[in-house]
Amino acid sequence: NAGVTQTPKFQVLKTGQSMTLQCAQDMNHNSMYWYRQDPGMGLRLIYYSASEGTTDKGEVPNGYNVSRLNKREFSLRLESAAPSQTSVYFCASSGGQGSIDIQYFGAGTRLSVL
Amino acid sequence: AQSVTQLGSHVSVSEGALVLLRCNYSSSVPPYLFWYVQYPNQGLQLLLKYTSAATLVKGINGFEAEFKKSETSFHLTKPSAHMSDAAEYFCAVSEGQAGTALIFGKGTTLSVSS
Repeated sequence: NAGVTQTPKFQVLKTGQSMTLQCAQDMNHNSMYWYRQDPGMGLRLIYYSASEGTTDKGEVPNGYNVSRLNKREFSLRLESAAPSQTSVYFCASSGGQGSIDIQYFGAGTRLSVL
Repeated sequence: AQSVTQLGSHVSVSEGALVLLRCNYSSSVPPYLFWYVQYPNQGLQLLLKYTSAATLVKGINGFEAEFKKSETSFHLTKPSAHMSDAAEYFCAVSEGQAGTALIFGKGTTLSVSS
C-alpha cells in the first residue's frame, strides 16, 4: 500500500533556483492538495485540485505553481526559490466519495532555501 | 470562515496519566472535525473523525474525542498515556465536501515522561 508518495524527501536549494516537488497517489482519489508546515503555524494550504483538470489557490499560493498532470499526479513548482519558502511540504489526497472526505498525507518533502 | 484553535502548544504528561488536548472550532456550517497525529519526521495520520453520527468518537491507539456543540469544542483524550504517544497532534475542520481543504490548528506537541 503506497498511498501518497512524495519525491524528493529532502532538498536544498539556493535562492533563485527552481524545482518541482512531485506527488503521486494510487488510491484513485479525485482530489489532491499541497500544504506547507512551518513551526507554530500548523499546516497551510498552498493549492488544491478538486478533480482532474482543475486547480485552485489556497491560503498561501504566492511563489508557487501547480500542475495536475493526470488523476494520479499533482506537482508543485517553485520558479524562483526564496528563503521564506524553507518549509516542510505535504501532499494529500482524498476520494470525494462516501459521506466524509478524508485526506491522506504523504511523508513530506523537507526543503531548505539558502 | 472556519477556524481552529488548539489551546497549549506543548503538553507534558507522565506515563500512565490522562492526556487532554484541547481544540475549539468556529464554523458557520455543521463542521466535520478531525484529529491527526504526526510522529517525528513523518506525515500526518488520521486519529479520528467526527461526522455527526455520534458525539463521542473513538479513534486509533486508545484516543477518543467528544464533540460539544454548545462549547464549540472537540477535545482529544486518552485515559493512560504511553511513551509511544509522544508526537504532534493537529485538530482540523472542514465542510466535508469533496475537494474541500482542511483548516488546521497550529498543533500541540505531547511529551510523555517515564
